[in-house]
Amino acid sequence: DTGVSQDPRHKITKRGQNVTFRCDPISEHNRLYWYRQTLGQGPEFLTYFQNEAQLEKSRLLSDRFSAERPKGSFSTLEIQRTEQGDSAMYLCASSWGLAGGDEQFFGPGTRLTVL
Amino acid sequence: KQEVTQIPAALSVPEGENLVLNCSFTDSAIYNLQWFRQDPGKGLTSLLLIQSSQREQTSGRLNASLDKSSGRSTLYIAASQPGDSATYLCAVSAAGNKLTFGGGTRVLVKP
Repeated sequence: DTGVSQDPRHKITKRGQNVTFRCDPISEHNRLYWYRQTLGQGPEFLTYFQNEAQLEKSRLLSDRFSAERPKGSFSTLEIQRTEQGDSAMYLCASSWGLAGGDEQFFGPGTRLTVL
Repeated sequence: KQEVTQIPAALSVPEGENLVLNCSFTDSAIYNLQWFRQDPGKGLTSLLLIQSSQREQTSGRLNASLDKSSGRSTLYIAASQPGDSATYLCAVSAAGNKLTFGGGTRVLVKP
């Protein structure tokens, strides 16, 4: 069990550029989540997949954000036309469950800085 | 809308003292409550998970209680050590499986 991994760990980009982050969940987990955390705050939910289906999206996920989980394995989160307000830690988590209330396991996060 | 609050926002104690961290939530219709530890610039490490039907959960020096009806949870850390210095986050899971987090309590244990 290698845990949840995220790549890259750090990303610095200029305003207006597109960025893409990758998350590899724990191998047997069917659920995958993305959260965003700004400095000094708790993480906020962005979106959630069960297998390859995206089941819920937060209102925080503007039309510049898109997430995919092809084949129900790894997931990517893309931000188009980045803005300075997108600077944050992007956290991925995974879990196994069929009903509700699974224990979620988090990756190390991707720190995004938009200049 | 579920809201989670953690008080205090920061806590400083001398080594050896017991730590008491509080978490409150507004909607008691939860599946579970998780406590996490976060070191600066790092991801979240799961410490304890309490299912909604449970009253408490223990792991080593950590003990967490849950009172769903009053919307409260408390994390106790016995005999604190400098290595316990971190931010502690609580989160509740409700319909849709997403976690709603509190703002965290930043703990400093002084040698």
